[in-house]
This record gives sequence, structure tokens and C-alpha cells, in this order.
Amino acid sequence: DAGVIQSPRHEVTEMGQEVTLRCKPISGHNSLFWYRQTMMRGLELLIYFNNNVPIDDSGMPEDRFSAKMPNASFSTLKIQPSEPRDSAVYFCASLPPGGELFFGEGSRLTVL
Amino acid sequence: DQQVKQNSPSLSVQEGRISILNCDYTNSMFDYFLWYKKYPAEGPTFLISISSIKDKNEDGRFTVFLNKSAKHLSLHIVPSQPGDSAVYFCAASASGDALNFGKGTSLLVTP
Repeated sequence: DAGVIQSPRHEVTEMGQEVTLRCKPISGHNSLFWYRQTMMRGLELLIYFNNNVPIDDSGMPEDRFSAKMPNASFSTLKIQPSEPRDSAVYFCASLPPGGELFFGEGSRLTVL
Repeated sequence: DQQVKQNSPSLSVQEGRISILNCDYTNSMFDYFLWYKKYPAEGPTFLISISSIKDKNEDGRFTVFLNKSAKHLSLHIVPSQPGDSAVYFCAASASGDALNFGKGTSLLVTP
């Protein structure tokens, strides 16, 4: 299995631009999570889905952030408009029933 | 507010010695605790876990201890090896909810 696949691995953009991060979870995993890692706050949960349905989005910083999971094999995290304080590593992770969380390699976002 | 706290951002240990990484939590509803390990440019990977019905779980060189009354858990690595150098995240969840992570502790094992 290829594991959790995230793209892009690196993104550099200018303030005000739209950013879309993508995630393909491991096949058969029924839960998907988006985390953000910063030095100040460590790994923060942004949102998670169970069977493609958003369960808890209380960690989404503000309305500029949105996430979708149109099917079991794909999710997006969108930031519009982006700001320099959004610079971080964004991790997607998927969870099999009764198992442990598997993380992707992350998408490093830099907003100038 | 951070419900899982790792108060030591970094730790340096000599090869062969014991590494002890600490973690405190505030939510008494947490019933499942895990440690994840992260190398640079990679995602965190699961290392070891413990449920609240136990106070110790061992897997090779790694042992996790849970003190529920103190809301404290620790990860012991013995003997430490240079390949153990990584960032270690403590995580906890309540009744199958999403994991809450600490900020991480960067471990450096020197030869």
C-alpha cells in the first residue's frame, strides 16, 4: 500500500492567493483527519471526517479554511485567501476501524 | 487550550542510556494514550499506545507508563540509539474521539 498520499509536498504562495491541499487516504480507512503543525502549537486537529462526513471542524481556524471529502479516496483542504500566519506543515491522516492513525508526509505551506 | 502538554521541547541523551520523555494531560476523560515518532520531512508514525486500564505497556526497547491520578504518562527508551533521534509526540483521546497531540519533544541521542 502506498500509504496516505498528500500533494503538493511544498507550496510557496503570496498572501491573498487560494491554496488547495490534497489527500488520498489509505484504501479501507474510514476516517480522515487534517492536522496542522507549527512550532508554537505543535500538531493541531483542524477537522476530521468519518465515512466522508465531517464530524468535528471546531479546529478550523476561521472561515478562510474549508475542507471537503467528496468520496472515500479524496479530500481537500482549501485556504482562501491565504495569510502569512497560515504557513505551517499540513498533515492528512487516515484511520482504519479499530486501528491507529497513519499520517501522510505532509504539505509544507509558505505564504509570503 | 492545550489538553496534552509536553513541557520539554528537547532532550539530549547519550547512546546506551535511558531516554525518558514526559507528557501531562488535563482532560480526565482521556482513556487512550499514544506516542508518535516523527523524522524530518516525514509524517508522524505510531510508536506505542496504552489504554487507561493499564499502567504500563512494553514493546522492545520502548515502555510507556501511565499514572492516571497524576494525569501523567512517560515514554522510556532503553537503551537509546542514535536512530531514535526524532521528535516524539504524545497524544490522547477520549472514547474514540480524534487524537489530541502535544507540541512534541525533540530527542537527540549522541554517540
